[in-house]
Amino acid sequence: DGGITQSPKYLFRKEGQNVTLSCEQNLNHDAMYWYRQDPGQGLRLIYYSQIVNDFQKGDIAEGYSVSREKKESFPLTVTSAQKNPTAFYLCASRQSRTGGQPQHFGDGTRLSIL
Amino acid sequence: AQKVTQAQTEISVVEKEDVTLDCVYETRDTTYYLFWYKQPPSGELVFLIRRNSFDEQNEISGRYSWNFQKSTSSFNFTITASQVVDSAVYFCALSEGGNNNDMRFGAGTRLTVKP
Repeated sequence: DGGITQSPKYLFRKEGQNVTLSCEQNLNHDAMYWYRQDPGQGLRLIYYSQIVNDFQKGDIAEGYSVSREKKESFPLTVTSAQKNPTAFYLCASRQSRTGGQPQHFGDGTRLSIL
Repeated sequence: AQKVTQAQTEISVVEKEDVTLDCVYETRDTTYYLFWYKQPPSGELVFLIRRNSFDEQNEISGRYSWNFQKSTSSFNFTITASQVVDSAVYFCALSEGGNNNDMRFGAGTRLTVKP
């Protein structure tokens, strides 16, 4: 079945450690996104990518980094510079770069600090 | 700037009751798209519906219906005869036509349906 796969489902980070969240899609979508969700809040955009080897900062990019070497993959690294990384992270993709297409989401990764 | 407001933080109903989730949006664009997503306890966001700004026709899908009113900048979602499985957080979102990547989400409404 086509879809978006995020791994791992749960992740723990030690102080000073970088961690990478995986996002893979087999929907042949051009655009991919990373969101952060905090309890009781909506989704905030971290980074997005419209095409391979190109990505743009969202509203809360500080302390995060991404890469887009393949169309199917858009990993997110939470660096040690992100002082409050505990949150639920959602990856999404969209069929077209034009407006109006819905984003499709993965199951999310829950990141906690040890 | 675009903005989405879901004023209801939490709603609790008893099974079989009807419930309406409110969504009010702000945009300066004449072309825009509105969405509703459902987030069950498992966490993934499930796409429910999309409307574009030129189509104010209300839509019904089974027990779900949506009321889009440009005059009040609202896109409300009604669940008829609610069921326990409807318990989830529901998000309304807005995407402006000229910006391909800026989908703004409301804060969400947590719906609890009690048996």
